[in-house]
Formats: sequence, structure tokens, C-alpha cells
Amino acid sequence: GAVVSQHPSWVICKSGTSVKIECRSLDFQATTMFWYRQFPKQSLMLMATSNEGSKATYEQGVEKDKFLINHASLTLSTLTVTSAHPEDSSFYICSARVMSGTGSYNEQFFGPGTRLTVL
Amino acid sequence: DAKTTQPPSMDCAEGRAANLPCNHSTISGNEYVYWYRQIHSQGPQYIIHGLKNNETNEMASLIITEDRKSSTLILPHATLRDTAVYYCIVTSNQAGTALIFGKGTTLSVSS
Repeated sequence: GAVVSQHPSWVICKSGTSVKIECRSLDFQATTMFWYRQFPKQSLMLMATSNEGSKATYEQGVEKDKFLINHASLTLSTLTVTSAHPEDSSFYICSARVMSGTGSYNEQFFGPGTRLTVL
Repeated sequence: DAKTTQPPSMDCAEGRAANLPCNHSTISGNEYVYWYRQIHSQGPQYIIHGLKNNETNEMASLIITEDRKSSTLILPHATLRDTAVYYCIVTSNQAGTALIFGKGTTLSVSS
């Protein structure tokens, strides 16, 4: 299946600093990518939909000025956590849907996730 | 909100079939049933999906009831590596549609 990578796989930062997480589709083009976060023992929560060449669409309750999303190309989306605080510590996961040969979008492929710890 | 209901946990003996149920009584005609699983501290992994017919691949089988209000994921010969959280998700196949995760079922496979 299609491969989605994330970098870094884990990061530790001090409170008040900014952290950038990269999400890449390695063998396909993704006009749309999605960002999720997951707190311990909880399910994945959709944060935003990242659209290539346009502004991201954020879910209710997600601060767009704090979680900056840039989808600069068809294979790269970045999530920047600005002025990170301990409550932002979480597992961040990106994903993308692949268009099938028939033109419909089938399975969504997920990256391996990035573990962010803010001290 | 998630459109599916799953039992919070299930146990299965290694080598036996694991049957994971999912209720999706409000599914609409153009929505598919997808199954993913998440092994601890990893990204979710696609397993299988279907619209109304039963489906089978190298990982699992998906049985969808005729009224499409429920489905069952079958892992025919569970192994210890199948221990994970399994998510049943109902969604359309439109390009900009994200998957919305419910709480899933934690499957524990033991020897």
C-alpha cells in the first residue's frame, strides 16, 4: 500500500518553543492530508484537514493560530505547534487518502506518528 | 460524533477466529464500512472496507448484514501480533472526507 512518513518520530521541547512536524506521502500525491492527535488511552481526534495550496480547515475547538498547517506541495504537509505547553504533549498522526484507478478514494493511509513531549 | 458502536474489549485465544462486531444503524446509502487497527504507539493500519457485499483479503473478512446496519470483522486465525485496538468507521469515499474514529474495540490475543 501507499506509504506516509512523518518526521521526527519523537521530539522533546521546552515550554514556549515551537515544533514543526513533517508529513510526506512517499509514493503518491495527496491533495488532501489530515492531522490527528491522540492522548494516552484515548482515540484519535481529527484536528484539521490540510489542502494543497490553500488554507487548512480546522475542527471546532482547535486553535488555528497555535497549530499552523502548511501544505506546500502534493507530497508534503507540515504541522507547527507554536509556543508549545505541557498540555500540548500528545501523539500527532497525519494521513492521506489515495485515489483509486476508478476515481474514488479508498483507504486512508496513516503515518507512524510523532510523539511530542513538552517540558 | 462517531456513527458506530463497538464493544470496548474482547479476548481471543491464539489460533482461533476473532469476530469483532460493529453496529452502524444510521449508515446512509453511499457510506462505506472501513476497519482499521492501531497497535500501541503506531499509526492506524488499514484492514478492509466494504459497501454492501462481504469482502475478504489477506488480512481479514468483512461480513455486512443485508440491511447494512451492522458488520463483523473476522480475523480467521488470530495471532499475538493481532493484539490491537480495532476501529470500525463509516464514511463516504469523497476526496476531502476524513475518517472519524470512535473508541474502538481492544482485542487481546493470548496464548
